[in-house]
Amino acid sequence: AQSVTQLDSQVPVFEEAPVELRCNYSSSVSVYLFWYVQYPNQGLQLLLKYLSGSTLVKGINGFEAEFNKSQTSFHLRKPSVHISDTAEYFCAVSVGDDYKLSFGAGTTVTVRA
Amino acid sequence: GAVVSQHPSWVICKSGTSVKIECRSLDFQATTMFWYRQFPKQSLMLMATSNEGSKATYEQGVEKDKFLINHASLTLSTLTVTSAHPEDSSFYICSDAGDYGYTFGSGTRLTVV
Repeated sequence: AQSVTQLDSQVPVFEEAPVELRCNYSSSVSVYLFWYVQYPNQGLQLLLKYLSGSTLVKGINGFEAEFNKSQTSFHLRKPSVHISDTAEYFCAVSVGDDYKLSFGAGTTVTVRA
Repeated sequence: GAVVSQHPSWVICKSGTSVKIECRSLDFQATTMFWYRQFPKQSLMLMATSNEGSKATYEQGVEKDKFLINHASLTLSTLTVTSAHPEDSSFYICSDAGDYGYTFGSGTRLTVV
């Protein structure tokens, strides 16, 4: 299984401030990368994904992420957060043809007024 | 986009009974679906891969006789927790495996008392 490391378990941030959530993975082959958001007692919603092409990926709700192959990273950013962005965020990786996703431990983002 | 419907959203059952969780793909055919388990404040752990018309593939450490998976049609996969015990209490989530988007169900909160 692939290893996915989310470097921050909790990120408190003030409303309208920028936020960055860090994600690193371990793989020597091509990977597919995802960021998901989870609200309490709900499933996961896809924010964005990197399959190939441009390394800067734009997603929903103003989020974007940059794939850095040399640093094996896929950090998520948002220039200005809202209270409604308070949630759990998961980075995930898929390798090869078995379609299995490996998830990071998650980052809890708490946005305060 | 693809929609995955998961039912029930929550269930309470007595220890020793069995519980069935359904996962339906509403607008596409899902030959493969995944089942995950999530403990509070933790990440998603893949339990098994459900394959239409064939046996499920279980991850290491997951008891296949306890977590029965059936994928009898292209639109329905079910997970049955047999002889449930309090330690089986968890959040169970399914997802499809299509087109590198991975649509997730809304999850099922199982509480065994």
